[in-house]
Amino acid sequence: DADVTQTPRNRITKTGKRIMLECSQTKGHDRMYWYRQDPGLGLQLIYYSFDVKDINKGEISDGYSVSRQAQAKFSLSLESAIPNQTALYFCATSASAWETQYFGPGTRLLVL
Amino acid sequence: GQQVMQIPQYQHVQEGEDFTTYCNSSTTLSNIQWYKQRPGGHPVFLIQLVKSGEVKKQKRLTFQFGEAKKNSSLHITATQTTDVGTYFCAGGGSNYKLTFGKGTLLTVNP
Repeated sequence: DADVTQTPRNRITKTGKRIMLECSQTKGHDRMYWYRQDPGLGLQLIYYSFDVKDINKGEISDGYSVSRQAQAKFSLSLESAIPNQTALYFCATSASAWETQYFGPGTRLLVL
Repeated sequence: GQQVMQIPQYQHVQEGEDFTTYCNSSTTLSNIQWYKQRPGGHPVFLIQLVKSGEVKKQKRLTFQFGEAKKNSSLHITATQTTDVGTYFCAGGGSNYKLTFGKGTLLTVNP
């Protein structure tokens, strides 16, 4: 959905490096999410935020941190990247807890 | 915590055959949503079911929500090559967030 953008779209980094993935949305939604997708494992929730002051850990938050800079921006950081963090990362937004989630195009991350 | 199981993990069909994927939750759901992810794409919302026993149709796609609101299914009649992709269910639970199943990858042989 063009209303949810992610940068970069592809990233190659080395073990131990710090990287940040960024997500922006123009839908005016309060709720934002970060997911990780690995083949055969579906979508695993890393962190979610119900508003600027509310950030919560998901199923697999270890090794990741987030920042909600504004209603429209939600960043995911890998403080010290490791190879098993190689995956496809999606940002998503929703208007409320159980409403439709709108996904960004994804960031493909390779950690060497 | 809430778990949502989806089967099968993979399904390969000949074009024109029917396809069904099933979703089961360990807890009663408030609603269930279905998403489709085309190869190389991102998940896109298809539909939401809220009521016990609800059935909704979108052209060749039929979605059902179980009477106990713990299971759901997506059935595609007469598959086409455009149906290729991964279909995810996502259950809304008491923790105010969606839990996604692992998805069913559908491939269609023309």
